[in-house]
Amino acid sequence: DADVTQTPRNRITKTGKRIMLECSQTKGHDRMYWYRQDPGLGLRLIYYSFDVKDINKGEISDGYSVSRQAQAKFSLSLESAIPNQTALYFCATSDKTTSGSYNEQFFGPGTRLTVL
Amino acid sequence: GENVEQHPSTLSVQEGDSAVIKCTYSDSASNYFPWYKQELGKRPQLIIDIRSNVGEKKDQRIAVTLNKTAKHFSLHITETQPEDSAVYFCAAIFSGSARQLTFGSGTQLTVLP
Repeated sequence: DADVTQTPRNRITKTGKRIMLECSQTKGHDRMYWYRQDPGLGLRLIYYSFDVKDINKGEISDGYSVSRQAQAKFSLSLESAIPNQTALYFCATSDKTTSGSYNEQFFGPGTRLTVL
Repeated sequence: GENVEQHPSTLSVQEGDSAVIKCTYSDSASNYFPWYKQELGKRPQLIIDIRSNVGEKKDQRIAVTLNKTAKHFSLHITETQPEDSAVYFCAAIFSGSARQLTFGSGTQLTVLP
């Protein structure tokens, strides 16, 4: 089945370290997203990409960067991790839409990141 | 600013009873409102959505209602079952956010046997 996958699934790192989270999809979708989930705060958008050459900041992009290496791959980097970046990170994809319409977002399984 | 408020944060119901979760939004131009369900340790999945040209939408035991005048929308689950226990997130598209989803803070629904 077409799917969205994330690696690693769990990661523990130390303050100041650089870390990369990776997302791959076999759904053939053009659009990809990175969210973080914190208890009581829901899902907040970090970055999103409509295609390989189109990357946009979301609500909480400070401290993060992304790379869209191919249509199927979208990675999230923490250049210098800090403890308040401890969270559950989700990648998501969606098909491109026609004007005025919206498509379902499909989420990956998540990466649990702990920054000590 | 653009905001989606979701209530309650936790909800416990007896099996077979109904559950209602309500969300309010700040942008009157919003026109797409999905609901996602996240089971424990799993990824969020879309369960139902509604567009602004519709007041109500049903899919078996779940329904969503939209009141554009009051800027709120609600998820209704009837005849609740243990497998309905999960965190539910509402979301909305805001015209000022490059038309990306803004999520509510989530509701932990527990269906008691």
